[in-house]
Amino acid sequence: EAGVAQSPRYKIIEKRQSVAFWCNPISGHATLYWYQQILGQGPKLLIQFQNNGVVDDSQLPKDRFSAERLKGVDSTLKIQPAKLEDSAVYLCASSLVAGGDTEAFFGQGTRLTVV
Amino acid sequence: KQEVTQIPAALSVPEGENLVLNCSFTDSAIYNLQWFRQDPGKGLTSLLLIQSSQREQTSGRLNASLDKSSGRSTLYIAASQPGDSATYLCTSGTYKYIFGTGTRLKVLA
Repeated sequence: EAGVAQSPRYKIIEKRQSVAFWCNPISGHATLYWYQQILGQGPKLLIQFQNNGVVDDSQLPKDRFSAERLKGVDSTLKIQPAKLEDSAVYLCASSLVAGGDTEAFFGQGTRLTVV
Repeated sequence: KQEVTQIPAALSVPEGENLVLNCSFTDSAIYNLQWFRQDPGKGLTSLLLIQSSQREQTSGRLNASLDKSSGRSTLYIAASQPGDSATYLCTSGTYKYIFGTGTRLKVLA
């Protein structure tokens, strides 16, 4: 079974530039999550999709972050414009459904450095 | 609002010791409790999933228990090895997964 795929693995940009991350979840998984993990902290949920609809985006800084999940499969997370404090690892995860006794699977993450 | 706390924040032990990592959560209405391992610069690798109807799960040298009524889970690592060095994260699952800040483990050879 293929895992959650993310790209790119690393990205360095200057502040005020824009950046996009891509995620391909495990086939058949209806729920997709984007997390932000700042160094030394646990992952923080940014946005959760159920198929192609948003379930929770309460912690997404909507003035600069956006995300979409086309056709309920792949997803992209965009930051525009980036700030220094956006430097973090961005993790994508998927699960069969939201809630219930289902397991979450994570990708390798994208490490973003804003300079 | 669910909050997850992990104790200790960091741990350094000699090889061969048995370890206990603790995870507590404020809302007991969870579906499951999942433990992950994270190596530096890498993503999260699932170790154990304890479903709501279960009280513990075992995989090799790892054993995790769940007590929903007290809001606690424990990860037990037997006969620790240097390869166990990593950050261990727990997450409580409701309709979304909330994480603690992790326990950074270093096992010395």
